[in-house]
Amino acid sequence: AQSVSQHNHHVILSEAASLELGCNYSYGGTVNLFWYVQYPGQHLQLLLKYFSGDPLVKGIKGFEAEFIKSKFSFNLRKPSVQWSDTAEYFCAVKDRNRDDKIIFGKGTRLHILP
Amino acid sequence: NAGVTQTPKFQVLKTGQSMTLQCAQDMNHNSMYWYRQDPGMGLRLIYYSASEGTTDKGEVPNGYNVSRLNKREFSLRLESAAPSQTSVYFCASTWGLLAGSQETQYFGPGTRLLVL
Repeated sequence: AQSVSQHNHHVILSEAASLELGCNYSYGGTVNLFWYVQYPGQHLQLLLKYFSGDPLVKGIKGFEAEFIKSKFSFNLRKPSVQWSDTAEYFCAVKDRNRDDKIIFGKGTRLHILP
Repeated sequence: NAGVTQTPKFQVLKTGQSMTLQCAQDMNHNSMYWYRQDPGMGLRLIYYSASEGTTDKGEVPNGYNVSRLNKREFSLRLESAAPSQTSVYFCASTWGLLAGSQETQYFGPGTRLLVL
């Protein structure tokens, strides 16, 4: 069964620091990959997604993620974080060829110190 | 265009009571999902419906039933609530398998459920 692992459960950074959140998935077939963000008190919103083509995907608010197929990874990055990036971040994977099941990781809580 | 709506927003139940969480989307999406969100556990898929008339189990289906009433609506029922079902429940929808690169899951605002 497919699964998603997010290595960091809780990350604390100062403003302007660089960010990298890890995400690995277990399924070896063709997948769609997503990063979602949940700001405090809000529901999930899409940050970025990968379907095919350029493995470096750019999303909203300066976020980007790189799909490395050989490592089954889809890490999220941002060169310089802001206090408003404080949120919980979820990686998700979908098996493109099978059905519509979309599986999420356990999430990473990011806390940015002003 | 309201997107994905969920009712109720909050609910308190006693152990053994039943209730139905309602979800509706107005985006003509084919696929709909129910997740529960618990601290440290992320979002776990309860059930999903790839298209009208079909439903499938997700990661944690025990204690729940679902109904895809029509293309717009996907309800989640707790027949006999247990304290372990205290959680925040999110409904989501997407275009589905045929969406290709257009696919994005849209989430509802969530239902906070407390089972005493």
